[in-house]
Amino acid sequence: GAVVSQHPSRVICKSGTSVKIECRSLDFQATTMFWYRQFPKQSLMLMATSNEGSKATYEQGVEKDKFLINHASLTLSTLTVTSAHPEDSSFYICSAGAGGGEEQFFGPGTRLTVL
Amino acid sequence: DAKTTQPNSMESNEEEPVHLPCNHSTISGTDYIHWYRQLPSQGPEYVIHGLTSNVNNRMASLAIAEDRKSSTLILHRATLRDAAVYYCILRNNAGNMLTFGGGTRLMVKP
Repeated sequence: GAVVSQHPSRVICKSGTSVKIECRSLDFQATTMFWYRQFPKQSLMLMATSNEGSKATYEQGVEKDKFLINHASLTLSTLTVTSAHPEDSSFYICSAGAGGGEEQFFGPGTRLTVL
Repeated sequence: DAKTTQPNSMESNEEEPVHLPCNHSTISGTDYIHWYRQLPSQGPEYVIHGLTSNVNNRMASLAIAEDRKSSTLILHRATLRDAAVYYCILRNNAGNMLTFGGGTRLMVKP
């Protein structure tokens, strides 16, 4: 099946710094990618839909100026957490569909810890 | 989006079949029933999906009620590696994002 990778897998940063997370579709092109956030013992919550070549669509309550999304190519979307604070510590996961099929392929996730 | 209801947790013995139920009484005619699972500290992975007919693949079987208001994911022989949170999700368009509910945490006992 199709593969989605994320980098880094784990990051620890100081409060106030910015962190960039990359999501790549390795063997297929994705015009749309999705970013989710998951807090401990909770379900995945959709943050935004990343569209190649256009602006991302953010879910209600997600600050677009804090969570910057760039989808500059058909295989790469990036999520930048700007001025990170401890409450942004979470598991961030991206997903993409391949070829219009029903299955969504998820990345392995990035665990962000903000001190 | 139509909602799904699943038990919070279930237990199974290794090498026995597991039936994971999902209720979706407000499902619409165009909603597909999807199942994903999430192993600890990993991203979710696709398990199976269906519309009306029962479906089988190498991972599991999906039994869909005739009125489509419920479905059951069947793992024919649970292994320790099947311990995960299983999510039942309704989706009406392949391009749409997935909306995750609480899921069922499956524990498999040796």
